[in-house]
Amino acid sequence: NAGVTQTPKFQVLKTGQSMTLQCAQDMNHEYMSWYRQDPGMGLRLIHYSVGAGITDQGEVPNGYNVSRSTTEDFPLRLLSAAPSQTSVYFCASSYPGSAGLDTEAFFGQGTRLTVV
Amino acid sequence: KQEVTQIPAALSVPEGENLVLNCSFTDSAIYNLQWFRQDPGKGLTSLLLIQSSQREQTSGRLNASLDKSSGRSTLYIAASQPGDSATYLCAVKTNAGKSTFGDGTTLTVKP
Repeated sequence: NAGVTQTPKFQVLKTGQSMTLQCAQDMNHEYMSWYRQDPGMGLRLIHYSVGAGITDQGEVPNGYNVSRSTTEDFPLRLLSAAPSQTSVYFCASSYPGSAGLDTEAFFGQGTRLTVV
Repeated sequence: KQEVTQIPAALSVPEGENLVLNCSFTDSAIYNLQWFRQDPGKGLTSLLLIQSSQREQTSGRLNASLDKSSGRSTLYIAASQPGDSATYLCAVKTNAGKSTFGDGTTLTVKP
């Protein structure tokens, strides 16, 4: 079982460059989310999606774009990278079971991004 | 706004000890609460999921409880082992697709 796959695992960008972090899941999960994890600040939600074609902002959306054209994929785009975006990024997915009883969330292994 | 707090931030215990990790949240209107384990440099691994209608869940040496009215959850680890050393995170889901995480408790189990 592949689960949630994130690519790349590591990336170094120069300030002002753009890039896309990829996230794919093979569990037919409707819910997908992007988090960033920073020392002393825990995991913070960037954007999330409750299904194909539907996205919404989380706690720290500025500087990031997302789209959800398929159930499987949820890419995160950095439009113009800044040093403040140096972080570890995690993608997660889950399934909205019946009566609001979501399944457990599954996480990818993360992408370590450094912006210089 | 939901806020999640985990106490203590770090815990060191000798092997074989039973221990309790705490998670508190400010808004009791939750969908579920999930406990995760994170090893250094790795992703999050789900340990236990408690739905809002449930009081506890068990898996092996782990037992998680949920008291929505008081905004608290505990993760009980029995007979701790060095392999249990990791950071333990709790996450509270308050809306479809959205979860709020605590900062975690870093556990060290000494042989």
